[in-house]
This record gives sequence, C-alpha cells and structure tokens, in this order.
Amino acid sequence: QVQLVESGGGVVQPGRSLRLSCAASGFTFSSYAMHWVRQAPGEGLEWVAVISYDGSKEFYADSVRGRFAISRDNSKNTLYLQMNSLRAEDTAVYFCTREITYRSGGYYFDYWGQGTLVTVSS
Amino acid sequence: QSALTQPRSVSGSPGQSVTISCTGTSSDVANYNYVSWYQQHPGKAPKLMIYDVSKRPSGVPDRFSGSKSGNTASLTISGLQAEDEADYYCCSYAGSNTWVFGGGTKLTVL
Repeated sequence: QVQLVESGGGVVQPGRSLRLSCAASGFTFSSYAMHWVRQAPGEGLEWVAVISYDGSKEFYADSVRGRFAISRDNSKNTLYLQMNSLRAEDTAVYFCTREITYRSGGYYFDYWGQGTLVTVSS
Repeated sequence: QSALTQPRSVSGSPGQSVTISCTGTSSDVANYNYVSWYQQHPGKAPKLMIYDVSKRPSGVPDRFSGSKSGNTASLTISGLQAEDEADYYCCSYAGSNTWVFGGGTKLTVL
C-alpha cells in the first residue's frame, strides 16, 4: 500500500535552517510529481512546492520562493524540503503528498503523509 | 496566489444535505476543471473526496458530489452522517504549476 512518512520537524530559531524528508513506499516513486503542503496551527492548508517526477522542474508558492528548496532522490524513494531563513510564520505541520495528473485532467493529491511539525521560535 | 474563499462553517442535522461553496477567480477555479475537495478530521491527514470538479475516488460514498459554475465550485453532502463532521478544503490548479487551497470549512453535524 502507498505510504508517505515525513520526518525532520522540530523547534528551530528564526533565521535558521531545517530539512524535511518524506519516505515513500508502495508505488513507483520516480513516476510521480510530489508536493509539500503545510498547515499552520488552527489554520487551513497552504500549497508550498512541487517537483516533477524526475526532479528537473520545481515550482514554489510566493511565500517560500527563494527560501525553500524542494528536491528528491529517486534512488532512495525520498522527497526533501530544505527550509532556510525560517520565520515564525513558517510554523506549521508540513505534509508531503502525491500528485495525480493525466491527459484529460488531474492536478490533485491522492495520498498524503501524516505530517511533521515545524516550530519556528526563539 | 490568494486563497479560495470558503464559508468558515456550515451545519446540518443527520440525514439532511449541506453545500459548501468555494469561490475563486478567472485564474483558477473558472479557468480549469481541476478542482478537488479534501476532508480532514482533527489531527489527521487530508483525504481526497472529489477530483476534476465532480469525480469521486473509489471508496468515497456517493453522498458526496461536486459541481462548478463560473468561478465557484461546490461540494454537496447528502444524507449527513455523524462521521462527516470534519473540515473540508477545496483546491484548484491555478496555472503555471501552482495550486491554491480554500481557507477551509468546518462542518458540524447537529
């Protein structure tokens, strides 16, 4: 069965860096684009970033562009999110999720991890 | 990349129907038939309920249905059940490899 397991969250001071990981299993990881979506405490979902199936293309939300970097290692079935220059407003649960897209539709997320909490505080 | 607009809360009694709206712009909801809906129970991961505006994944009850008119998408839940009480989020593809979510709607089953 498809599983996505995030790790790497924790408490970090403003301005510092953190790297999240998402270990994928139960499907051919290298065939799917993957995303990070976050949720601040008590707030809604916010799309963060996407990486293409082969890692050749990355796209970001305006709120994180230039500070966050999404990457993947298809040999390890793992997705990453490098978060730099962290701010208090980056405090959130970060979910990794798999994108489904096909010729006539898609652009949705069918499997999600349980999330990892990042707290940015001094 | 402004969030799609959803009502903060809706409620209904068991067996009734409720509809949750999701209003976007000409850049997202109106321009693409790529609206999806997610159910999230407290402390849990989101679960896909509707994709491509009105399609249901395998395993999602047919009590859940989706539609779209112009820049507004809607999720209707008929025959409300206690387990439907959750937060619901719409999401739309917004072009140029970006996505946008709604602010979320808390559904209370009275």
